[in-house]
Amino acid sequence: DTEVTQTPKHLVMGMTNKKSLKCEQHMGHRAMYWYKQKAKKPPELMFVYSYEKLSINESVPSRFSPECPNSSLLNLHLHALQPEDSALYLCASSQEPGLAYNEQFFGPGTRLTVL
Amino acid sequence: GQNIDQPTEMTATEGAIVQINCTYQTSGFNGLFWYQQHAGEAPTFLSYNVLDGLEEKGRFSSFLSRSKGYSYLLLKELQMKDSASYLCAVRDQGARGGYNKLIFGAGTRLAVHP
Repeated sequence: DTEVTQTPKHLVMGMTNKKSLKCEQHMGHRAMYWYKQKAKKPPELMFVYSYEKLSINESVPSRFSPECPNSSLLNLHLHALQPEDSALYLCASSQEPGLAYNEQFFGPGTRLTVL
Repeated sequence: GQNIDQPTEMTATEGAIVQINCTYQTSGFNGLFWYQQHAGEAPTFLSYNVLDGLEEKGRFSSFLSRSKGYSYLLLKELQMKDSASYLCAVRDQGARGGYNKLIFGAGTRLAVHP
């Protein structure tokens, strides 16, 4: 199994809703990432989990809350989002956090629309 | 600071060769990746360079010059399916726990026409 899966594929939510994005990989990777990508822009790193512990938070607003229940799963909990948070949210994983050669495998993304 | 530059758009003809350039400035260079991304899809890995020189993989080749802060992706025998965005990404060895952060360029949108 060499893929990263993400659910849901599309999500529409209001500004008062609470929702969660889910990511799963079964490659035995120990680093997992959340990226945000706006249209025609590159992916921007949000969070990095290394061995199930949060190691990087790129100054992301607290309305985004990551969680890593185990080495295969990564969640992103959403609450009180703003319309400008609408974007493609990409999950990625890599074998080891600090390896020099450390290809990141990306999931298909969740297209989020905040009304 | 960190800066990655690549052309915004390129067009090419089916069967031709195209070269997509990338220049970068980072504080702690630790490798350069090229990813392909079709519209609305996830980026997929194409190549990795950490030492100077050319890496060839089928129709795709990538070149790196660390002294010049320069890389290019060469696509040969272009096919219509190669129409996509090509992202140059630099691994920057930051100060936080040895984690190597991947910084993406804005991407080059390549349109291949018959």
